[in-house]
This record gives sequence, C-alpha cells and structure tokens, in this order.
Amino acid sequence: QQQVKQSPQSLIVQKGGIPIINCAYENTAFDYFPWYQQFPGKGPALLIAIRPDVSEKKEGRFTISFNKSAKQFSLHIMDSQPGDSATYFCAASSVSYNQGGKLIFGQGTELSVKP
Amino acid sequence: KAGVTQTPRYLIKTRGQQVTLSCSPISGHRSVSWYQQTPGQGLQFLFEYFSETQRNKGNFPGRFSGRQFSNSRSEMNVSTLELGDSALYLCASSLAGRGRDEAFFGQGTRLTVV
Repeated sequence: QQQVKQSPQSLIVQKGGIPIINCAYENTAFDYFPWYQQFPGKGPALLIAIRPDVSEKKEGRFTISFNKSAKQFSLHIMDSQPGDSATYFCAASSVSYNQGGKLIFGQGTELSVKP
Repeated sequence: KAGVTQTPRYLIKTRGQQVTLSCSPISGHRSVSWYQQTPGQGLQFLFEYFSETQRNKGNFPGRFSGRQFSNSRSEMNVSTLELGDSALYLCASSLAGRGRDEAFFGQGTRLTVV
C-alpha cells in the first residue's frame, strides 16, 4: 500500500515531442506528489509538485495532471529538449499520516530526447 | 546559499567492515532524511531525523543507523557491510520535514562493498 508504481521504465522521444510519464498509488493518505529530475552523478532535484485538491499544475514546460479518483498522476514535458534527458521520479508523501520527511518514490523513468 | 553537502563522495569498503557517511544540510533546515538508491530497488527511504530525534524509519535492518547533531548535521552508519549494501546513499534536507516541505538532495555518497 506504500508503493508508487511508475511507467514507462524508459522513454525515447524526438526534440519537440511531449513525453508522458505515469504514476499510480494506493495509499489514500498520500497528499503531496512531487516529481524529481536526476542527472547522472547528481542528486534528484525537485521539478514540480501537486496536491490532490488540484487537477493540473503547470510550471514552464512541465505539467502535472492529477486524477484523485483513479489515484493516478502524470508528468507531461512540452516541447522537450535534449537537455531534458534525465531520469524522472514521481514520489508521494503524507502530512496527515505523520510521515513527514518520508518520500515514497516510483521506480524512475529514463528519458532520452533525441536532437 | 550552500546546498546539501555529503562526504565522502566515493567509498570502497570490504565486506564485514563498517562505514560512516556524513550529511550537512542547508542552513536553517532541521530535517534530514536518508535514502538508498540502487538500479534494482530505486530510491528507498532509510530514516529521517528532526531536532536530533529519529522520527521515521524505513524497512532496513538494524545494521543501518543514524544520528543527528545539534547543528542538524547528520551521519549514517552501516555496520557489518554486505555486498548488497553497494549503492548511492543520498541525504535530503528540508525546513521541518513536513510532507509538503521541499526536500533538497545532496549529490550522494557512492559506496562500493567488495
């Protein structure tokens, strides 16, 4: 019940394409859903995050869509660029469940954007 | 503002030894969490410290332990190392470790057990 399932495992798109990464969760106590971007040799960095009372959030070229009833959320990268090539992780945590400081991560998606 | 600093960056240890990793959080951050990252298991939560107290613990054996000092710096220790402990160990700091506080990660310590 603590799992977050992420797909696909890897993704190759052409420059300008719109890669979509999907995540699903079971624990309804989760109330914060961040996405992290990780480049080789670096730690993950927060990209964008959403709360379950919002169905969509945009920050620049990155958009999160959230479906509370289906317990699913996804990341869309508009006009993708080669510099977006990285590993992306979805995550979930809970404030109300007294799980502060604990992020449950998906397995990660390795994105490659071809020039 | 300095980021999260982890030392050392790389370590090679022999099976059966113990190791201590260090994490200096961003100034003003009081919560430090530790994660293990491996190709097979991904990012897994080890434990979280806030004001020198362990608040949360993941599903790891007792060989994995940690502590936090009064200046919020944290250390994690792994005793009796096993080959399977080879991983990238990441620490993350946040203001108070509340679920919606942004967590900032360090670059990690790459531990190789031979």
